[in-house]
Amino acid sequence: ETGVTQSPTHLIKTRGQQVTLRCSSQSGHNTVSWYQQALGQGPQFIFQYYREEENGRGNFPPRFSGLQFPNYSSELNVNALELDDSALYLCASSPWPGNYEQYFGPGTRLTVT
Amino acid sequence: QKEVEQDPGPLSVPEGAIVSLNCTYSNSAFQYFMWYRQYSRKGPELLMYTYSSGNKEDGRFTAQVDKSSKYISLFIRDSQPSDSATYLCAMSNPGGTSYGKLTFGQGTILTVHP
Repeated sequence: ETGVTQSPTHLIKTRGQQVTLRCSSQSGHNTVSWYQQALGQGPQFIFQYYREEENGRGNFPPRFSGLQFPNYSSELNVNALELDDSALYLCASSPWPGNYEQYFGPGTRLTVT
Repeated sequence: QKEVEQDPGPLSVPEGAIVSLNCTYSNSAFQYFMWYRQYSRKGPELLMYTYSSGNKEDGRFTAQVDKSSKYISLFIRDSQPSDSATYLCAMSNPGGTSYGKLTFGQGTILTVHP
């Protein structure tokens, strides 16, 4: 176990709704990255947060947004959900930005109907 | 063309076999190379990482990087049923604008049968 926790475990939403996913980083880690993993695919980088600011973003539209809190925990928000947003959302923590040793949580399985 | 290509398999081998997993990549700026293992319904678990070209060994696992060919490999010796999982290669470019970004392959599904 990595010490990275995510909630909720599973979530079912309807197209057009909004969702918030949560992540607590491993002790001593100040950087959180979010990834989307579609079924049968590798994780795709959404963005990274460091010192409560976005520190790099992948090829995802603005309806994907995030927050990081002073205790280094983080939220991923997705607005106007689409069917293609159905995926496993993974949070990874690392001790500093750019550190290749990223430790993943168990993920949140989002289903959009 | 994807930046990182990985044969999705599935790969099925008998217990005790040597397993070879491979990825190719197109971005010559990648400097760090990682292998993750992902069990069903779990998050990826970091197995090994290497920097630039060369070999690295850890128990039954050996990671190889050939930057000239843009090719990385993971070898598993004496494979066990508990090694059955999806194996993901990942890479990072420390000098890029999103230097914290890991770029993953599609993952190879491995089954080791008793």
